Amino acid sequence: KAGVTQTPRYLIKTRGQQVTLSCSPISGHRSVSWYQQTPGQGLQFLFEYFSETQRNKGNFPGRFSGRQFSNSRSEMNVSTLELGDSALYLCASSPDRGSYEQYFGPGTRLTVT
Amino acid sequence: AQTVTQSQPEMSVQEAETVTLSCTYDTSESDYYLFWYKQPPSRQMILVIRQEAYKQQNATENRFSVNFQKAAKSFSLKISDSQLGDAAMYFCAYRSAGGNQFYFGTGTSLTVIP
Repeated sequence: KAGVTQTPRYLIKTRGQQVTLSCSPISGHRSVSWYQQTPGQGLQFLFEYFSETQRNKGNFPGRFSGRQFSNSRSEMNVSTLELGDSALYLCASSPDRGSYEQYFGPGTRLTVT
Repeated sequence: AQTVTQSQPEMSVQEAETVTLSCTYDTSESDYYLFWYKQPPSRQMILVIRQEAYKQQNATENRFSVNFQKAAKSFSLKISDSQLGDAAMYFCAYRSAGGNQFYFGTGTSLTVIP
């Protein structure tokens, strides 16, 4: 099976712009979670989607949003980018909500200038 | 909310030696899972080992083993016979049995010295 894929792998944006990141989970996996990884902060949970519905949300401002499609692919959007949004954004997929297995994608490196 | 603490930002070990990475967590739950993930430089994060809280026996995966002390809320990772390929950032993570959110520590960067 193909692993979790994320596109694009690298992005450079300017403050105030918006960005959309994409994640394709492992085939058959229905749960997708997003994390923001920054040096010193580790991984911080953004949100989790299952069956096209957001099930959990971390402590991030409303500028961060996401969605999941019927094929389980997920996108996250960040509007009005700030310098502090520069980070590695990781997507992880799980077979189901109750599964303890979580498989990570390679991440999208976002740089905001 | 649950918190996971990794107090060692950086560690180093000589090749073929043993190293232990520390992790503590805070929770009021009795049933949960603990994980160690490895993130090599510029590569994907992968699961190293998993421990179910209801199991008293410490998990082992080849050269990787854990020391799970439930009462002390401690979950350390021991890497035996360290290899150059073990160099990576290691993250400790917690997930409650009834929930779906993972909580991660800030990571420990492991350097393996040839």
